Amino acid sequence: GQQVMQIPQYQHVQEGEDFTTYCNSSTTLSNIQWYKQRPGGHPVFLIQLVKSGEVKKQKRLTFQFGEAKKNSSLHITATQTTDVGTYFCAVIRQGGSEKLVFGKGTKLTVNP
Amino acid sequence: NAGVMQNPRHLVRRRGQEARLRCSPMKGHSHVYWYRQLPEEGLKFMVYLQKENIIDESGMPKERFSAEFPKEGPSILRIQQVVRGDSAAYFCASSRLAPDLWNEQFFGPGTRLTVL
Repeated sequence: GQQVMQIPQYQHVQEGEDFTTYCNSSTTLSNIQWYKQRPGGHPVFLIQLVKSGEVKKQKRLTFQFGEAKKNSSLHITATQTTDVGTYFCAVIRQGGSEKLVFGKGTKLTVNP
Repeated sequence: NAGVMQNPRHLVRRRGQEARLRCSPMKGHSHVYWYRQLPEEGLKFMVYLQKENIIDESGMPKERFSAEFPKEGPSILRIQQVVRGDSAAYFCASSRLAPDLWNEQFFGPGTRLTVL
């Protein structure tokens, strides 16, 4: 089935440093979604990428979809303590019912 | 417009008891998904339902677990004869349309199940 590998599993940064998490797939993806889960909270949708080479920005967050549509990244510029949480990528697993398959997530901690 | 509602938020059961987890999707959403999340791990898909139909239950253990989404009322995830390994956070999500290219899922706050 369609799976995504997400790295790193953990990332600890000093406040103000940048942060990047990556999702990689062995197969071409139709789209990719990113979610954020705060500690003790529930996943919240951030964005969806569909087009090859697509880049989208949300304030300090930059999302990128690779040209081959096999990888994606989320980059946070100048992290803040409010960025703490786990960031998940998710892809539609096609064939059958088409359900979301989540990566294992990158847990970000920010030292003030 | 209320979001996805789940109750209870925390549930404690002893081994062998039954656990019933409820999920009310967002208004206007007819697609419901259940996920399980173990501590420090990602979300694992369990089951996808529409009203009165199970569309995909490929992620749900074949024994002790069942799910329903009746015509009226919330979706129910039922775990019979719980074991310690069932301890996890169970998240429900809903979407307005089927899981396709243009559709995001809205998650509820989750039910944290602890089996003693």
